[in-house]
Amino acid sequence: GAGVSQTPSNKVTEKGKYVELRCDPISGHTALYWYRQSLGQGPEFLIYFQGTGAADDSGLPNDRFFAVRPEGSVSTLKIQRTERGDSAVYLCASSLTRDSGAFFGQGTRLTVV
Amino acid sequence: GQSLEQPSEVTAVEGAIVQINCTYQTSGFYGLSWYQQHDGGAPTFLSYNGLDGLEETGRFSSFLSRSDSYGYLLLQELQMKDSASYFCAPPRGGATNKLIFGTGTLLAVQP
Repeated sequence: GAGVSQTPSNKVTEKGKYVELRCDPISGHTALYWYRQSLGQGPEFLIYFQGTGAADDSGLPNDRFFAVRPEGSVSTLKIQRTERGDSAVYLCASSLTRDSGAFFGQGTRLTVV
Repeated sequence: GQSLEQPSEVTAVEGAIVQINCTYQTSGFYGLSWYQQHDGGAPTFLSYNGLDGLEETGRFSSFLSRSDSYGYLLLQELQMKDSASYFCAPPRGGATNKLIFGTGTLLAVQP
C-alpha cells in the first residue's frame, strides 16, 4: 500500500483480555518497528524487526507482550492479560534505510477498561 | 546510557525563525533524525543528519555536530501549521536501528 496501515484504529478491551494489533508496512521495507505513546510523551520503543527476525526486543515491558512478523511483511503485536496501564497509542513504523527515515502508521488506540 | 535533551516548549510568531536544540548522549551514535508530530497524528520524518553540517529541506534545516553531541532543527518563515511537537531521535546502527525519542518540543506558532 501507499503507507503504513494499522488495524484496528481503536480497540477497547476489558482488563485481563488478550489483544492483537496488526501492522502492514510499506511494501519493500525490511525494517519494522513498534512503539507505544502515552499522552504528552514521545514514542517509546518496543521492538524492531529486520526481515522476519526480531533484531531488538529490549523495549518490550514484560512477557505479556509479544510480536511476530512471520513472512517479513505484516506484523502482529500481541498483548496477553491486558492491564489498564497498557492503555496507549501503539505505533508501527517501517523503513528502507536509516537516512530515508521511518514512516509511521496512524496507530491503534488501545483502551483497557 | 542514553539521554536526550530538548526544550519542552517553544513559542514563536508567524513568519519568524525558530531553532529547536537537541543534545544527546548515546552509545554507538549513527546520526540524528528529526520528526514532527501534530496533535492526534503520527510522527512524520523531517530530516536525517549522518554527518556534521547543515541539511536544508525547504523551510526546514537541520544541523549536527557530532563532536559536541549537539544538533538543532531550524524552521523558517513559520506558519500556523508548523504548530506541533518536534522530536530529535538518534538511531543506533549495528544490529539494531531503533530510534530513541525523548519527550519532544512543543512548538506553538501564534498569529
